[in-house]
Parts: sequence; C-alpha cells; structure tokens
Amino acid sequence: GAVVSQHPSRVICKSGTSVKIECRSLDFQATTMFWYRQFPKQSLMLMATSNEGSKATYEQGVEKDKFLINHASLTLSTLTVTSAHPEDSSFYICSARDYGGETQYFGPGTRLLVL
Amino acid sequence: SQQGEEDPQALSIQEGENATMNCSYKTSINNLQWYRQNSGRGLVHLILIRSNEREKHSGRLRVTLDTSKKSSSLLITASRAADTASYFCATDAWNGNKLVFGAGTILRVKS
Repeated sequence: GAVVSQHPSRVICKSGTSVKIECRSLDFQATTMFWYRQFPKQSLMLMATSNEGSKATYEQGVEKDKFLINHASLTLSTLTVTSAHPEDSSFYICSARDYGGETQYFGPGTRLLVL
Repeated sequence: SQQGEEDPQALSIQEGENATMNCSYKTSINNLQWYRQNSGRGLVHLILIRSNEREKHSGRLRVTLDTSKKSSSLLITASRAADTASYFCATDAWNGNKLVFGAGTILRVKS
C-alpha cells in the first residue's frame, strides 16, 4: 500500500518555541493532506485539511495562527506549532489521499512533548 | 468533531475467540472505514465498505453496514494476541472530503 512518512517521530521542546512537523507521501501524489491530533486514550480529532497550493481549511476551534499548515507540493505538507505550550503536547498524525482516492493513508505520527 | 460512538469502549477476550465491535454515526455517508492502531503508533487501514454495500470480508475480518440504523460492526474471528490494539471506525461523508473518527474500541486478546 501507499506509504506516508512523518518527521520527526518524537520531539521535546521548551514552552514558547515553534516546532515543525513534516508529512510526506512517498509513492503517490497527495492532492489532499489531513492533520489530526490525538490525546492519550482518545480518538483522532481532525485539525485541518490542506490541498496542494491552497490555504488549509481548519476545523472549528483550531487556531489557524497557532497551527500553521503549508502544503507546498503534492508530496509534502508541514504543520508548525507556533509558540508551543504544555497543553499542545499530543500525538500529531497526518494522512494523505490521492486524487479521487477513497482511502486515506496515515503517517506513523509525531509525539510532541512541550516542557 | 467526532461522528459517533463505538462500543464497547474496551473489550478483553481469550485468544481464539471472536471479537465484535460496533460503530454508530450520525450523518449520511459515502463510505465507512475501519482502522487499527497499535499503542503509540499510526493507523493501519483495515477495510472500506461503501454505502451501497451491506457486508464485506477481508481475511479474518468481517464488516457489516446498516445505513438505515447508521451503524457498522467489525468482527474479528479466531482472534490472536497480535490483534491487541485500538480499532476505530471513520466515516467519509458525501459532502466532505475528510474522515471523521469514532471514539474507538480498545481490544485486548489474552494468550
């Protein structure tokens, strides 16, 4: 099946710093990428949807200025958590879907810990 | 936002037994998908069932869909300890381009 990678897999940072997470589709062109957040023992909550070359669509309650999403190419989307705080500590997962595809392929996730 | 509920929230069974997980949703859908997640890992796609399908099989997995009740079930037959994981249903709505996940069921298979 299609492969989606994320980098880094784990990051620890100090409060107030910004963290960038990359999501890449390795063997297909992802016209749409999605970013999810998952707190311990909870389900995935969709944060935003991004289409290549256009602005991301954020879900209600997600601050667009805090979670910057860039989908600059058909194989790469980045999520930047700006001025991270301890409450932003979570598991961030991206997924990608190719044009007309029904299946979303998920990355392995990035665990963020903000001290 | 989450689409619906899954039950049970947690399920513990012996190896060899069957495991059944249920998922309910609220809006009209294009398809419903089941995913598996091992602890602290990403999601693995298990099976997709379209709104005009009622049942689908894949190996030891059997998925049913009842659009009149807005519910789906995932059956894992002859469970193995390696099936221990969290299982999520996710719906793909007609008017959306995104998956909305249920709360998930934590399955533990004891050997």
